[in-house]
Amino acid sequence: DVKVTQSSRYLVKRTGEKVFLECVQDMDHENMFWYRQDPGLGLRLIYFSYDVKMKEKGDIPEGYSVSREKKERFSLILESASTNQTSMYLCASSLLGVVANEKLFFGSGTQLSVL
Amino acid sequence: GENVEQHPSTLSVQEGDSAVIKCTYSDSASNYFPWYKQELGKGPQLIIDIRSNVGEKKDQRIAVTLNKTAKHFSLHITETQPEDSAVYFCAASKKGDMRFGAGTRLTVKP
Repeated sequence: DVKVTQSSRYLVKRTGEKVFLECVQDMDHENMFWYRQDPGLGLRLIYFSYDVKMKEKGDIPEGYSVSREKKERFSLILESASTNQTSMYLCASSLLGVVANEKLFFGSGTQLSVL
Repeated sequence: GENVEQHPSTLSVQEGDSAVIKCTYSDSASNYFPWYKQELGKGPQLIIDIRSNVGEKKDQRIAVTLNKTAKHFSLHITETQPEDSAVYFCAASKKGDMRFGAGTRLTVKP
């Protein structure tokens, strides 16, 4: 089974802090994604990556950056956390194919609270 | 861009009854429609998906139907069980540009 592991289940940070959310997958998937989940809004794509050192903006990239130095690891960075970034963050991966984000495998999520 | 609307936002059924969740999409070029189930404390998990060249797909107690003309698709769960209680998300995708619905919280009462 594919396993996508997010480093923290819960995080509490202060406004203005730099925050790192880490994600590791163990199935050699090429594609990795970061989504944000908010009540009533579903899942919204922040950033994704098709390969090492490669990144693409999703629908809501403002205030975020990402890093993919190794194939199995994809990090989401909040350069200066703000209260409106309080949310559940979900990492996902998928095999390289015709369409990258089909058949996504998700991690359990990180609930981030920015105070 | 694509817009996906999902109804209802909450659904409560008695164990053994059927449950139906409906989604509409706006972009007629969308061609891939997955459904994800998210249990408490876990990430979403793909449970069934359908492509635009198929009208219906079934996997044991779950089925998905697609009406391309009306641009809506539905998830049907028969003989519901307490373990079906979760949040369900639909999505519509066109060439990798995927949009999720807002989610439906299904509660199955024993």
